Order: sequence, then C-alpha cells, then structure tokens
Amino acid sequence: AQSVTQLGSHVSVSEGALVLLRCNYSSSVPPYLFWYVQYPNQGLQLLLKYTSAATLVKGINGFEAEFKKSETSFHLTKPSAHMSDAAEYFCAVSDNYGQNFVFGPGTRLSVLP
Amino acid sequence: GAVVSQHPSRVICKSGTSVKIECRSLDFQATTMFWYRQFPKQSLMLMATSNEGSKATYEQGVEKDKFLINHASLTLSTLTVTSAHPEDSSFYICSASPTGGTNEKLFFGSGTQLSVL
Repeated sequence: AQSVTQLGSHVSVSEGALVLLRCNYSSSVPPYLFWYVQYPNQGLQLLLKYTSAATLVKGINGFEAEFKKSETSFHLTKPSAHMSDAAEYFCAVSDNYGQNFVFGPGTRLSVLP
Repeated sequence: GAVVSQHPSRVICKSGTSVKIECRSLDFQATTMFWYRQFPKQSLMLMATSNEGSKATYEQGVEKDKFLINHASLTLSTLTVTSAHPEDSSFYICSASPTGGTNEKLFFGSGTQLSVL
C-alpha cells in the first residue's frame, strides 16, 4: 500500500525567495510520484511526475523535484517564487501500474510581496 | 479533517453496461466537485467540473453523453459511465471543494478502479 505525507499544511515565502514543499512517501513497490497544483476554483493541474527515469524531474512554471529513494522523499522546489505561484500543492503516489493512486493532504503556498 | 467517500472502490462490468460511481462529502457541503481519470502509468486527468444544481463543465475530449455527471445535492455527485467499453477501464477519482471557504482546498475520494470486460 502507498501513503503520502506533506510536511506543513501552509507555507509562506517572500516573492523571489526559494520555494520548498516537502513530500515523503511510503510504498511497498517502486513508486510513480506526482506533484499537482490547484488554483482557486479550478481542478488539479499536473506540475511534474517521476516514473523511474531521471531522479531530478523538471516541470512546468520553473518547478522541479528530486526523487530520493534513500529518504523516501520527492520534495518540490522553485528557485524564485512568483505571486502567481500562490496555490494548493498536492503530492501523489501510485504504483508503477497506475494502481493505488494516493494523494497527500496538500500544502497551501502563500507568496508575500 | 474533511472526508470524501467514493463508492464503489472497485467494479468489474461487462461491455455495454453502465456503471455509476458516487462521490459524497461526509462532513461538509461542496458546491463544486471534480472528476478525474487516470490510465495506467499516466498522470491524473481532469474530466469535468461538477457544480451543484447546474450542468457539469467537461474538459476537451471528454464525451459528455458517455460520462454523465449529476450533482443534485451539496453532498453528492455521481459519475455514470454509460455503455462502458474496455477502453473505459481506468481509475476514476473525485475531489470536493468546501462551500463557503476559500475554495483553495480540495479533498479527495479514495478512487474507483473500473474494469470493463
């Protein structure tokens, strides 16, 4: 079975500062890992995904995440936050057959001017 | 925390039959619910946005006559896959956004694995 934890339900950063959103997972099989973003009144949008290829994954809007098996982590980063990055971010895990898809509880990112 | 119940968790049906999937918000009201589909080894894809008391908004490429969505109350949205075919086999998941909040928080159901024989 898979599970996901996201440390920090709410993260605030200043505009231009580094964004770091934490995600740890547990999985009994090699996982696929995803980061999604949700803007107000909208559905989820895929930011990036790890599917057992390169461990450093680059996504849209300047985000990237690194899969670290030894730490069972898949933290999301962006070097410089923009006001438009303010949203809810969800980490998710599935097995490599697309089964047992599980979401983390989400982290709300606020960007301060 | 808020709970979204999705039922059934797994369903196997014959080709040509219809399958209904329910998504309930158990301890909050949700004006808006979202339906997603995930094919094996792919990411989740938004299918439609369900609004209580009005017609659902479908994403491009999603057949509204095949995937019927009903959101008749503030705590229940249903997705009916009509005349299902093997290519409809997928993982379906719903999410709900609490009414009256900032609409920045989503809560997810546990998903439904549909297998069409």
